[in-house]
Amino acid sequence: KAGVTQTPRYLIKTRGQQVTLSCSPISGHRSVSWYQQTPGQGLQFLFEYFSETQRNKGNFPGRFSGRQFSNSRSEMNVSTLELGDSALYLCASSLGQTQPYEQYFGPGTRLTVT
Amino acid sequence: ELKVEQNPLFLSMQEGKNYTIYCNYSTTSDRLYWYRQDPGKSLESLFVLLSNGAVKQEGRLMASLDTKARLSTLHITAAVHDLSATYFCAVGRGGTSYGKLTFGQGTILTVHP
Repeated sequence: KAGVTQTPRYLIKTRGQQVTLSCSPISGHRSVSWYQQTPGQGLQFLFEYFSETQRNKGNFPGRFSGRQFSNSRSEMNVSTLELGDSALYLCASSLGQTQPYEQYFGPGTRLTVT
Repeated sequence: ELKVEQNPLFLSMQEGKNYTIYCNYSTTSDRLYWYRQDPGKSLESLFVLLSNGAVKQEGRLMASLDTKARLSTLHITAAVHDLSATYFCAVGRGGTSYGKLTFGQGTILTVHP
């Protein structure tokens, strides 16, 4: 069974640009959650999508947005990049509100903003 | 607001020794997760604990959950170098908050020969 895939794996962008990251969940999984990991703030929840609907949102500015497609693939977009957006962005896929409740993480996209 | 605290944050162990990582959380929750992260890598799922008194074991790692104390422990038995990594606990709630996990700060474990 293929795992969670994220593309691209690495990105270097300049302040003020925008970026789109992609996440393909495990086949059959309908929930995709996004997290930001930084040395200073740790792992922070961005948002969750389930069946193409945003179900939860973390405390991030409106520059961070996302969407989910009918095949459960998800994208997140960050507009007007700031230096502080440099981080490892992880997505996690799960079945939804059914057991075994496992959330499987992808390899991440490492974003560097210069 | 749900808060999750781990201790210790840094743990230096000798091979062959036992130790425990603690994870406290502030409000009632449905699920408790333990993850492992190697440097530069993603999160690897270790355990999901769902009910009070749940205990799960895999190799040298054993996790337990006490929902009344809002405490989970990750016990390491006879540590080996391969266990060196950062360990995170994370808490999930039900209902509309299902997909949101709140993570602890992580415990950096280093096992020395």
